[in-house]
Amino acid sequence: AQTVTQSQPEMSVQEAETVTLSCTYDTSESDYYLFWYKQPPSRQMILVIRQEAYKQQNATENRFSVNFQKAAKSFSLKISDSQLGDAAMYFCAYEEGAQKLVFGQGTRLTINP
Amino acid sequence: EAGVVQSPRYKIIEKKQPVAFWCNPISGHNTLYWYRQNLGQGPELLIRYENEEAVDDSQLPKDRFSAERLKGVDSTLKIQPAELGDSAVYLCASSHGTVPAKNIQYFGAGTRLSVL
Repeated sequence: AQTVTQSQPEMSVQEAETVTLSCTYDTSESDYYLFWYKQPPSRQMILVIRQEAYKQQNATENRFSVNFQKAAKSFSLKISDSQLGDAAMYFCAYEEGAQKLVFGQGTRLTINP
Repeated sequence: EAGVVQSPRYKIIEKKQPVAFWCNPISGHNTLYWYRQNLGQGPELLIRYENEEAVDDSQLPKDRFSAERLKGVDSTLKIQPAELGDSAVYLCASSHGTVPAKNIQYFGAGTRLSVL
């Protein structure tokens, strides 16, 4: 079974600084998708960014970018110019063709003003 | 465009009572998912529908949980009877089902269930 591991239960960063959240996963598949979702206190999971495994180029969405290392099965999220509104739980997720998302345990990100 | 709508937002019940959660997916989304999120953990899939058909219910505890999506639009998840361990957030998500947007799941705000 696929597993997703987020080794940082909590992270904090100063406003306007850069922070990196780590994620590793385990799979025997070669074609899959990876996601980062954000879950604020409102509980709604919001898609931050996604990466297709067959694409070598790292995905970028404004201040959010990923470092995708397929051989190492690593998928970290970098948030640049951190803002107070970035404070939330961040979940890394893996999906293969079955459309089933497997989530990690989450990382609670705190932004210090 | 309206997002995934879930109700109620909160539900408190006593153990052994029944409870039901409702979800209305984004218009045009054929695939609907129910997840359970225990405190401090990531969501776990309970069931996935393609239109009216439950195509993956392997993680649904069928002795007490049931779900339906009769007309391929909105869906109801039921627990009867509820147990203390069922306390969690129940999330609904939907996706379009058309490549390449097929595998982007959009989530509702969830229902927080407390079983006393």
